[in-house]
Amino acid sequence: DQQVKQNSPSLSVQEGRISILNCDYTNSMFDYFLWYKKYPAEGPTFLISISSIKDKNEDGRFTVFLNKSAKHLSLHIVPSQPGDSAVYFCAASGNSGGSNYKLTFGKGTLLTVNP
Amino acid sequence: NAGVMQNPRHLVRRRGQEARLRCSPMKGHSHVYWYRQLPEEGLKFMVYLQKENIIDESGMPKERFSAEFPKEGPSILRIQQVVRGDSAAYFCASSPYMEVEGEAFFGQGTRLTVV
Repeated sequence: DQQVKQNSPSLSVQEGRISILNCDYTNSMFDYFLWYKKYPAEGPTFLISISSIKDKNEDGRFTVFLNKSAKHLSLHIVPSQPGDSAVYFCAASGNSGGSNYKLTFGKGTLLTVNP
Repeated sequence: NAGVMQNPRHLVRRRGQEARLRCSPMKGHSHVYWYRQLPEEGLKFMVYLQKENIIDESGMPKERFSAEFPKEGPSILRIQQVVRGDSAAYFCASSPYMEVEGEAFFGQGTRLTVV
């Protein structure tokens, strides 16, 4: 029962181009979404988040889009840089039963940015 | 301002032994969360603790696993009589508030290998 799905295990893009990472969720009680970046042998690092009352949030090269009706969100990185190469996790939390502290993660997408 | 500190970084245990994983939250953070990442999987919530209290242990196996966050000292995740299936990366996160609207800051993880 995977409530947060990242259907692309990997993605490869050229430096300078746009990277688009996708995430789908099934639980309509989720109301807050986060993206984490993870390098090998390190812990996840928070990247950007979005509340369900918004459809877009931008921070520098990173933009997250949320389509509530489709239960879909995406992370855009532009321009992509080699240092962006990492595993990206989509995560969600919800206020169902007060559990807005609990993150449900997808399996991650390995992004490789080629110089 | 040190981040979330976990130790040890790597832990090898024989089947049947006990594993103790430690987590020191960021300064000023009184909320601690433990997550487990099995190979090729996303992070899965295990337990949420505040000082001296377990708030939610719904993700933790009922047997052999326990967690604590004493008034003084780090949070401890304890696994008794380890089995090969316990081999995973265990991540601790901390936050200043219960809601993860800000973001939970993760440690570098403890990689447990059961031989």
